[in-house]
Amino acid sequence: DVKVTQSSRYLVKRTGEKVFLECVQDMDHENMFWYRQDPGLGLRLIYFSYDVKMKEKGDIPEGYSVSREKKERFSLILESASTNQTSMYLCASMVRASPLHFGNGTRLTVT
Amino acid sequence: QQQVKQSPQSLIVQKGGISIINCAYENTAFDYFPWYQQFPGKGPALLIAIRPDVSEKKEGRFTISFNKSAKQFSLHIMDSQPGDSATYFCAASKSGYALNFGKGTSLLVTP
Repeated sequence: DVKVTQSSRYLVKRTGEKVFLECVQDMDHENMFWYRQDPGLGLRLIYFSYDVKMKEKGDIPEGYSVSREKKERFSLILESASTNQTSMYLCASMVRASPLHFGNGTRLTVT
Repeated sequence: QQQVKQSPQSLIVQKGGISIINCAYENTAFDYFPWYQQFPGKGPALLIAIRPDVSEKKEGRFTISFNKSAKQFSLHIMDSQPGDSATYFCAASKSGYALNFGKGTSLLVTP
């Protein structure tokens, strides 16, 4: 069974802090994704990666960056957290033409 | 720009009834249409998916109906149960590419 693990379930940070959200998958998937989920807005793609050291912007990349140094790990970075980045963040992975597998999410609150 | 439009935003159905959620898409290049189910505190999980070469796919009580000419697809949950209460997301993509999600439907099945 595919397992996508997000390191924190809940995170509280202050405005201006640098925030790291970590995600690890155990199925050797090439493709990894970061989405944010907000009520009434659904799931919106922030960044994705098709291979190590490779990244592509999604629909809402502003204020975020990512890092993929190893195949199994994909990190989302908030360079200077702002209150409008308070959200549920979901990491996902897949191999091409297979289902997308999600982690259980990190609920980030920026105060 | 919302590439996948989902309705209704919320739905209340009595136990034993039929739940119907509708989605529409614009991009005719999309060839993969999954539905995801999300319970509170969990990430979304694949429920059922369809490709445009068929008009209907059934798995147990869950059925996807697909209308290629209208660019619409829908999820039908037959004999709805309280355990089906969850948020449902439709999505669409070209195979192997990032999914574009609808905004979600919150389903409540009352006893």
